[in-house]
Amino acid sequence: GAVVSQHPSWVICKSGTSVKIECRSLDFQATTMFWYRQFPKQSLMLMATSNEGSKATYEQGVEKDKFLINHASLTLSTLTVTSAHPEDSSFYICSAREAEISNQPQHFGDGTRLSIL
Amino acid sequence: AQKITQTQPGMFVQEKEAVTLDCTYDTSDPSYGLFWYKQPSSGEMIFLIYQGSYDQQNATEGRYSLNFQKARKSANLVISASQLGDSAMYFCAMRELPSSGGGADGLTFGKGTHLIIQP
Repeated sequence: GAVVSQHPSWVICKSGTSVKIECRSLDFQATTMFWYRQFPKQSLMLMATSNEGSKATYEQGVEKDKFLINHASLTLSTLTVTSAHPEDSSFYICSAREAEISNQPQHFGDGTRLSIL
Repeated sequence: AQKITQTQPGMFVQEKEAVTLDCTYDTSDPSYGLFWYKQPSSGEMIFLIYQGSYDQQNATEGRYSLNFQKARKSANLVISASQLGDSAMYFCAMRELPSSGGGADGLTFGKGTHLIIQP
């Protein structure tokens, strides 16, 4: 089945650091990828939709300058948390869909646990 | 208003029993998809089952089946013969497909149900 790889799995860094998270579709091409955020014991919240070759579409309330998304190829999207602060600590998880068909499930990466000290 | 409602924050079920996880949704779009995902403590999201709004039959995947009641806007997940490995968070999610062709394409998730299977 479709595999989505996300790297790194864990990040612990100092406040003020910028952190880049990679999301790769390993055996399929994904024109669209999605970035979600999950706080402990809460649900996944869609942050943005990453479109290959064009600007990402951000959900209301998500700071574009804070969460930079680049989708440079059909298999790679990156999320950069700029000047991260403790309140940015969360579980970030990406997903991709194999085809633009409504019944295709989104395949998720294993997520990145980000801890800002 | 919440688009996906899961009313059971947690459930304890005896091993080998069947379990039903509730999910109701809210949408004005005639075309949409409903998904169930399992999230173990390790964090990964595992796709379980899909139901399309125009599907005539309830979806089934192995031990998982979806009790789709369109008029009630409910899409409950049924797990038959539960196993200890079924213990996890379960999320119901919806993808809306507006007739206009636009709109959000990502999934909207419910708050989840924490299922614990007891031996």
